[in-house]
This record gives sequence, C-alpha cells and structure tokens, in this order.
Amino acid sequence: GAVVSQHPSRVICKSGTSVKIECRSLDFQATTMFWYRQFPKQSLMLMATSNEGSKATYEQGVEKDKFLINHASLTLSTLTVTSAHPEDSSFYICSARDSSGRVQYEQYFGPGTRLTVT
Amino acid sequence: GQNIDQPTEMTATEGAIVQINCTYQTSGFNGLFWYQQHAGEAPTFLSYNVLDGLEEKGRFSSFLSRSKGYSYLLLKELQMKDSASYLCAVRGVYGQNFVFGPGTRLSVLP
Repeated sequence: GAVVSQHPSRVICKSGTSVKIECRSLDFQATTMFWYRQFPKQSLMLMATSNEGSKATYEQGVEKDKFLINHASLTLSTLTVTSAHPEDSSFYICSARDSSGRVQYEQYFGPGTRLTVT
Repeated sequence: GQNIDQPTEMTATEGAIVQINCTYQTSGFNGLFWYQQHAGEAPTFLSYNVLDGLEEKGRFSSFLSRSKGYSYLLLKELQMKDSASYLCAVRGVYGQNFVFGPGTRLSVLP
C-alpha cells in the first residue's frame, strides 16, 4: 500500500524559533497533500491544503504567515511553524492524496510529528 | 456549514459487538470514511461508503444512509487491541475538504 513518511517524528524547540516538518509520499505521486493538527483528546483539524506548484489553501483561522507550506515536488510538502509558541505544541499529521485517483484510498496519512514548544 | 457528531466515549467487553454511530450535516457529500487511531499514532483507514448500504470487511462493517445523514461502524468479536479512537470523516463534493468528526474513544475491557 501507499506509504507516507514524516520527519521528524518528535521535536522540542524553544519559544520563538522555527521548526520545519517534512511530509513525503514514498511510492506514489501526490499533487495534493493535507496538513492537520490534533490537540490531546481531540479530533483532527484541517489546517491547510498543499498543492504542488501553487500556493496552499488555508482553513479559516489558520495564519498563513505563521504556518508556511511549501509543496515543491510531487512527493514532498513541508510545513514550517515560524516563531513557535507553547500554544503551538500539538500533533501535526500530514496526508497525501494519490494522484492516480483511486477513490477509496484517497488520503494516506503520515505517522505524525509531535511538536513541543518550551 | 458542516457538522459531524459522534459519541465521545464507549466501553465494551472483549468478544462482544459494538456499534459506533456518526451523524453528519454537510454542504456536500462525496463519501464517508472511518479511521482507527491509537494514541500518539496517525489514523489508519478502516472503511469507505459512498452509496447507501452495508460494507463488510472482516470484523468491521460500515453502514451509510445518505438520506438520514447517518453512518455506523460495527465491530465484531472485540479484541483488546481494538481499544482506540474511531474517527468518522466526510469528504466534500470536490474532494478537497475532508472533515473529521470528534472521534469516539472505545475502551475494550476483559
């Protein structure tokens, strides 16, 4: 089956610094990737839709200048949390949409990145 | 607007059957997904319904009624490893928006 990787799996950073999270589709091409955030005991909240070669589409309430998304190739999207603060501490999960269009398995999830801002 | 509702928590006994319900009100509909998520891990795909009726896959079955905006996930022969959160997600018409419900935390007791 399709595999999506994320790196790093865990990161601890100091308040005010920036953190980059990578999302890769390993065995398929993904023109669209999604970034989600999940707080403890809550469901996944879509942050933005990342489209290869174009600007990301952000959900209402998500600051595009704080959460920078780059989708430079068909297999890689990056999320950069700029000037991180403790309230940004969360579980960030990406998913990739298989461009071949197999409907049932349209989104494949990465293993997630646990971000802790101290 | 979009609204998806699930029970917050459920408890069941090993070997039993449990049904997790999901109701939704969305501006468009192009399929309903069920995912399993263990704590600290990413969701894993369980089932997909786009037409009314029951889809069976081993110990897991999922049902959809589009007219009622209702789905359920049925888990049979419960095992301890089934203790997890179960997320219902609805995909919009254009396939880009994927809205997740709040999730149901299932605890399977011996």
